[in-house]
Amino acid sequence: EAQVTQNPRYLITVTGKKLTVTCSQNMNHEYMSWYRQDPGLGLRQIYYSMNVEVTDKGDVPEGYKVSRKEKRNFPLILESPSPNQTSLYFCASSYATGIGEQYFGPGTRLTVT
Amino acid sequence: AQKITQTQPGMFVQEKEAVTLDCTYDTSDQSYGLFWYKQPSSGEMIFLIYQGSYDEQNATEGRYSLNFQKARKSANLVISASQLGDSAMYFCAMRETSGAGSYQLTFGKGTKLSVIP
Repeated sequence: EAQVTQNPRYLITVTGKKLTVTCSQNMNHEYMSWYRQDPGLGLRQIYYSMNVEVTDKGDVPEGYKVSRKEKRNFPLILESPSPNQTSLYFCASSYATGIGEQYFGPGTRLTVT
Repeated sequence: AQKITQTQPGMFVQEKEAVTLDCTYDTSDQSYGLFWYKQPSSGEMIFLIYQGSYDEQNATEGRYSLNFQKARKSANLVISASQLGDSAMYFCAMRETSGAGSYQLTFGKGTKLSVIP
């Protein structure tokens, strides 16, 4: 089954404690990206990657890091989480052309206290 | 300026009626793509429909159609024969090029649709 998986689905952590949210896709997609969703703001792109070892900043990259060492994986790293990073996070993937559907993961709800 | 504008924060529609969700966009790209996604209360993002800027025909997928008016930079979603299960948040999004061979997606703030029995 074609899918994007994210782990964990829910996470409560404390300010400053480094965390990683994993994302993996099994569709051999070149393009992967991370979004955060906040009430009233829609989805905003954090980082995206066109291929292995190629990453770019989206609209809200501050406080986040990513890496793309393998085509299927695109982890999101919060080195020192803060309460304003409490949000719903989505990973997504698609083919390099960008034509057609972006496949979304199920989402990770992060709370930073 | 916002790249994607959804002017209707919330809408109500009677079951079995048609409804139009508005979306306007702003881009200087010649080649771009427009998407609509549905997000039910369970939280997952469900792809509904895609329209490329060079597509001459309006995209349709079952009960969903995208009313694409390029000159007006509008990409409204039309849902025919609304069902109770259509109650959800709906997001319009646009793909634009971003550097050599890369692209970015920008989402609107969404419209919450409620279907009344």
